[in-house]
Amino acid sequence: SAVISQKPSRDICQRGTSLTIQCQVDSQVTMMFWYRQQPGQSLTLIATANQGSEATYESGFVIDKFPISRPNLTFSTLTVSNMSPEDSSIYLCSILAGDYEQYFGPGTRLTVT
Amino acid sequence: QQPVQSPQAVILREGEDAVINCSSSKALYSVHWYRQKHGEAPVFLMILLKGGEQKGHDKISASFNEKKQQSSLYLTASQLSYSGTYFCGTEDPDSWGKLQFGAGTQVVVTP
Repeated sequence: SAVISQKPSRDICQRGTSLTIQCQVDSQVTMMFWYRQQPGQSLTLIATANQGSEATYESGFVIDKFPISRPNLTFSTLTVSNMSPEDSSIYLCSILAGDYEQYFGPGTRLTVT
Repeated sequence: QQPVQSPQAVILREGEDAVINCSSSKALYSVHWYRQKHGEAPVFLMILLKGGEQKGHDKISASFNEKKQQSSLYLTASQLSYSGTYFCGTEDPDSWGKLQFGAGTQVVVTP
């Protein structure tokens, strides 16, 4: 199965700043997703990262706050902009393997102070 | 819409069985099951597709009742390694790949 890596693994940031999270896959994948997991909570889909086109955002998430890039079939970035303490979460990328199975990267643990 | 998982938590002794349920108010295409240990990413366990068969992985198996939009995960003869939070993720026919996750079921297996 594909190997997924994320950078950074964790970070502590000041409010008002931005952080870009990278997701790298060791093989080409068509569909990549970004999820957020707030402390002690479940996973919530932020957006679908489409190669060659704009990301598709879920209700409650906007491009200005979470811009996403997908320059090729093995890489994507998620930026968390103008951060507030409420953005403190684990951010995970995932890939669709084969036709149906979805695998998660190790996650980026973000703390905003 | 988020699927509903039950129970919220379960405590087992090694060797005991447990069932975790996941239900949705919407028609489903698939149900995905994950286990997440503290401080780690969710790990894929299995996927059940509409029209597919009941799946099994070691002593963990699952079923999918399409008519009732329900899935159940069965932990048989539980082991200490089964401890963690179990999430179901549901996919509806119009949202390929986009998963809606339940709130999770915390499982603690004790010696």
